[in-house]
Amino acid sequence: GQNIDQPTEMTATEGAIVQINCTYQTSGFNGLFWYQQHAGEAPTFLSYNVLDGLEEKGRFSSFLSRSKGYSYLLLKELQMKDSASYLCAVIHKAAGNKLTFGGGTRVLVKP
Amino acid sequence: DSGVTQTPKHLITATGQRVTLRCSPRSGDLSVYWYQQSLDQGLQFLIQYYNGEERAKGNILERFSAQQFPDLHSELNLSSLELGDSALYFCASSVEAGGGELFFGEGSRLTVL
Repeated sequence: GQNIDQPTEMTATEGAIVQINCTYQTSGFNGLFWYQQHAGEAPTFLSYNVLDGLEEKGRFSSFLSRSKGYSYLLLKELQMKDSASYLCAVIHKAAGNKLTFGGGTRVLVKP
Repeated sequence: DSGVTQTPKHLITATGQRVTLRCSPRSGDLSVYWYQQSLDQGLQFLIQYYNGEERAKGNILERFSAQQFPDLHSELNLSSLELGDSALYFCASSVEAGGGELFFGEGSRLTVL
């Protein structure tokens, strides 16, 4: 199966930190992406993890544990413009390297 | 600007009709993917083409079909439209056939009345 679970919605305060968790089950893991999507707009690439560990890119970091089928996206020093949906997506090797998206986590940043 | 172009941006049509959505991938990308996103829903994978050949199929209805042409642009055909087909349809492209970063177009918003 190819299940990807992430929380539906999270609220945080400007300047704070928010961690968005993603768990997955796949028949052959070949990488995990995080995308940001503002309402009505195209998803834009944030990060890619294929090996265990933390990838840091400015205010955003992404962590992967393949043995646990778990990833998180960490957003630091939140800004109002970070209010968006964050999509976890997994590449399934057994499915021809198909990229499957989770339902997305809507993050609302409050002043 | 991702380099992926989708037309039309908006389309309003009636139930039972047929529409065609068009996608031009980024220069050099051989793979094209189509996704459907209904209101407040996640991205549902429909179909992928690589260099003109169908590569992977997702939850694409039989009323829907797609193809990728020799110049690598792709078209998604939606027929016998129903109210529930109203959604944003995204096209994405990548260099590789399997995996790799996807670059998304701005989407085509289809409204079926």
